[in-house]
Amino acid sequence: TQLLEQSPQFLSIQEGENLTVYCNSSSVFSSLQWYRQEPGEGPVLLVTVVTGGEVKKLKRLTFQFGDARKDSSLHITAAQPGDTGLYLCAGTSGNTGKLIFGQGTTLQVKP
Amino acid sequence: DTAVSQTPKYLVTQMGNDKSIKCEQNLGHDTMYWYKQDSKKFLKIMFSYNNKELIINETVPNRFSPKSPDKAHLNLHINSLELGDSAVYFCASSRLLILQETQYFGPGTRLLVL
Repeated sequence: TQLLEQSPQFLSIQEGENLTVYCNSSSVFSSLQWYRQEPGEGPVLLVTVVTGGEVKKLKRLTFQFGDARKDSSLHITAAQPGDTGLYLCAGTSGNTGKLIFGQGTTLQVKP
Repeated sequence: DTAVSQTPKYLVTQMGNDKSIKCEQNLGHDTMYWYKQDSKKFLKIMFSYNNKELIINETVPNRFSPKSPDKAHLNLHINSLELGDSAVYFCASSRLLILQETQYFGPGTRLLVL
């Protein structure tokens, strides 16, 4: 069974601080996706990383896929209150479109 | 314009009842999914359909039966509801059934079984 472990589960920081969320597995994934979910809504895709070692940037968010395609990280620079939400990593493998999600990281950014 | 819509948004019911959740997507996608998010926010796939054909059925009790009348709709019927079925159920869709396709999620249906 493929599992993804996310850490930390909860993070409360002040506006302007930097943070990193980790997503780890013992399994290899074809790709890794990061989603953000706001209260009362469904997850929204932020990024997909496909190649081992790949780095993608989305404004203040930097996503990295591990060289062995078993782990990923999300780094936020100068966090803002608008970044508050639940961040989910999800891995894909096989050819069924099945997503395996991590447990999620709840981020609170205080003004 | 809502891409993936679900009804109802909230559902409160008694144990033992039968209920249905409806999902519609207007994106012209071929593939649709049902996910369950538990109280700890863990999201797990239940079913996926591609062009009305069942592709994924993740060890879900037989009480759960998805039905896809056409590509744009995927409904979820639950028989004999149990307390443990309380969760948020999300419908999602993607353009194709291939890796790395973006999945678009609906707003969720919050089911509470009393």
